[in-house]
Amino acid sequence: QKEVEQDPGPLSVPEGAIVSLNCTYSNSAFQYFMWYRQYSRKGPELLMYTYSSGNKEDGRFTAQVDKSSKYISLFIRDSQPSDSATYLCAMGVSGNKLVFGAGTILRVKS
Amino acid sequence: NAGVTQTPKFQVLKTGQSMTLQCAQDMNHEYMSWYRQDPGMGLRLIHYSVGAGITDQGEVPNGYNVSRSTTEDFPLRLLSAAPSQTSVYFCASSKTSLATTGELFFGEGSRLTVL
Repeated sequence: QKEVEQDPGPLSVPEGAIVSLNCTYSNSAFQYFMWYRQYSRKGPELLMYTYSSGNKEDGRFTAQVDKSSKYISLFIRDSQPSDSATYLCAMGVSGNKLVFGAGTILRVKS
Repeated sequence: NAGVTQTPKFQVLKTGQSMTLQCAQDMNHEYMSWYRQDPGMGLRLIHYSVGAGITDQGEVPNGYNVSRSTTEDFPLRLLSAAPSQTSVYFCASSKTSLATTGELFFGEGSRLTVL
C-alpha cells in the first residue's frame, strides 16, 4: 500500500465549477502538507503549504487538512481553463524528504 | 533568473551505458534533490543533499550516484542504465528546510529512455 493515495483522474469540469481534489495517507507522522501544480512538460510548482489541521485560503484556492482522518483536500473555486494541469499532493515528516501522491489530472472546459 | 537548470532535456541510452544528468541552481540554495516521475507513481525521491559535501539516499537510490562538490551543482549519475530507469527526472532545490515552507523549486525535467 502506498503511503499517499491520490485518484489519478482525469477530472473534467466546465469553466466556473468548484473543483475538489483529495489525498489520503497512512503515515500519522506526516507533519506538513502541500499541493503542487504541474503543467504539461514542466516541473511542479508549489501552490499551497499547510502545517496544521484546518483550512488555508489563497485567492480561489483553499487547502484543507484533517489529520484525524488522514485526509487532505484542495478546492478550486471559479475554475478556469488555465487551471488545467496535474495537481500533486505532497507531505513530509522531517525537513528533508517529501512523499508525493501520483497526481490528479484536471481538465477545465471552456 | 535561471532558477534550476537541467541538462540534457532528452536522452536515449542503450542498456548498460552510463551517463550523467546535470543540475545547476543559481539561487544559493543549500538543499538539492533528484526525483523521478513515472506514470501512476508520482514523484519519488532518489537522492538529496543538504549542502556541499553532504548527500543522502531517498526512496529509490539503487542504480544512481550523486556528489555535491559545490553549492550550485548536483549531478546524478546512472552507472549502468537499465530499461527500468526510463523516466522523467527532476532536479529540485530549496532555500530552507522543507518543513518551513514546503517549497521546492523544480527544473523542467530530463526525459530519459533506456532501450
